[in-house]
Amino acid sequence: QKEVEQDPGPLSVPEGAIVSLNCTYSNSAFQYFMWYRQYSRKGPELLMYTYSSGNKEDGRFTAQVDKSSKYISLFIRDSQPSDSATYLCAMRASGGSYIPTFGRGTSLIVHP
Amino acid sequence: EADIYQTPRYLVIGTGKKITLECSQTMGHDKMYWYQQDPGMELHLIHYSYGVNSTEKGDLSSESTVSRIRTEHFPLTLESARPSHTSQYLCASSYLQQETQYFGPGTRLLVL
Repeated sequence: QKEVEQDPGPLSVPEGAIVSLNCTYSNSAFQYFMWYRQYSRKGPELLMYTYSSGNKEDGRFTAQVDKSSKYISLFIRDSQPSDSATYLCAMRASGGSYIPTFGRGTSLIVHP
Repeated sequence: EADIYQTPRYLVIGTGKKITLECSQTMGHDKMYWYQQDPGMELHLIHYSYGVNSTEKGDLSSESTVSRIRTEHFPLTLESARPSHTSQYLCASSYLQQETQYFGPGTRLLVL
């Protein structure tokens, strides 16, 4: 079993839809959770960062962590065609090398 | 936008050739990383460095080598390219005790 599981999609939604992207993980020591966005032919860029459980909101994006279920989510409200990209979750435990474990990414397509 | 650069962006090369992929960052980050990314698959960590004269192997068994003679420069060398090396190679950097990584645009390598 992989430490981080993420459905690769693609997920296709109409413009304006609410998008839910998810990752599950098996390592209960993970404390720091990140979402990266990767446009085609570009490197990933950090979108959201959360520590431990709870929600964090930034504009149209909300990151949610449920440590009891080992489940994290990224919600995108009022999705736009410019949100079309691959979204990778990443997470790490406290201490150690500070190198996160990445999911395989979910491809999102928002069509007009 | 992150100040991390990779050259070349695209490379087509024959089997057996020696190649060096360049990566430079101007953010003063101590840590640098090389990842391999195939379509729809996880980022696989190949090598990383904590600073000058420090290099470590990552999770992915690799026939590549790296060097870190200057803080800003972290080149990756394949002594003898093979078709199995065909992939996208991403360079990233971060501060020493932060998990947030800044990625370059990637090098797409095709070995014939």
